[in-house]
Amino acid sequence: EVQLLESGGGLVQPGGSLRLSCAASGFTFSSYVMSWVRQGPGKAPEWVSHISDSGGSTYYAGPVKGRFTISRDNSKNTLHLQMNSLTAEDTAVYYCAKGYRGSGSSYSDYWGQGTLVTVSS
Amino acid sequence: DIVMTQSPDSLAVSLGERATVNCKSSQSVLYKSNNNNYLAWYQQKPGQPPKLLIYWASTRESGVPDRFSGSGSGTDFTLTISSLQAEDVAVYFCQQYYNSPPTFGQGTKVEIK
Repeated sequence: EVQLLESGGGLVQPGGSLRLSCAASGFTFSSYVMSWVRQGPGKAPEWVSHISDSGGSTYYAGPVKGRFTISRDNSKNTLHLQMNSLTAEDTAVYYCAKGYRGSGSSYSDYWGQGTLVTVSS
Repeated sequence: DIVMTQSPDSLAVSLGERATVNCKSSQSVLYKSNNNNYLAWYQQKPGQPPKLLIYWASTRESGVPDRFSGSGSGTDFTLTISSLQAEDVAVYFCQQYYNSPPTFGQGTKVEIK
């Protein structure tokens, strides 16, 4: 059974940093592109970033480029998102999601339950 | 970025009746070399993550009831629930994965009339 378990969310002040993690199990983690997708209250999901199976290719949405860094540790089946210079607009539930292929844009066939990030003073 | 626009924003349908959700992309998501439409549909219930229903515009994900179907090509797509059940009350999103960034529609809320 595929499982994705996010952690690391919480309350942070504007300008602060957080590091999200996603522990994956139940599939060959190193074979699939992995994504972070966020969803603000009452809003549609918004794709944030993805990383290829090997970790050699990454892509970021415009609003987070230069502030967020996605990474993966295939030896530990773990995905990370380092978030810096956070603003109120980054407040959302952040989901870890598995792609259907090894790289590139993808639909997500499995999603974690999400971790809430709240940016507020 | 490809803009995905859904219609309507919400609809109310009687139990057992058909529900239809539309999705339009700002450019074609049909990849001509393989004749695949890079379009997926998700269902989201309150407090839960999105659940994949349909990919390649019309391929049902394993375990999804056959009352859910997807159709369309190019820029215009439709999700149909042939006979609405109480457990289908949710918000439905389309998503293109033709190019990066993948983008979602704004969502359509389906309720019981």
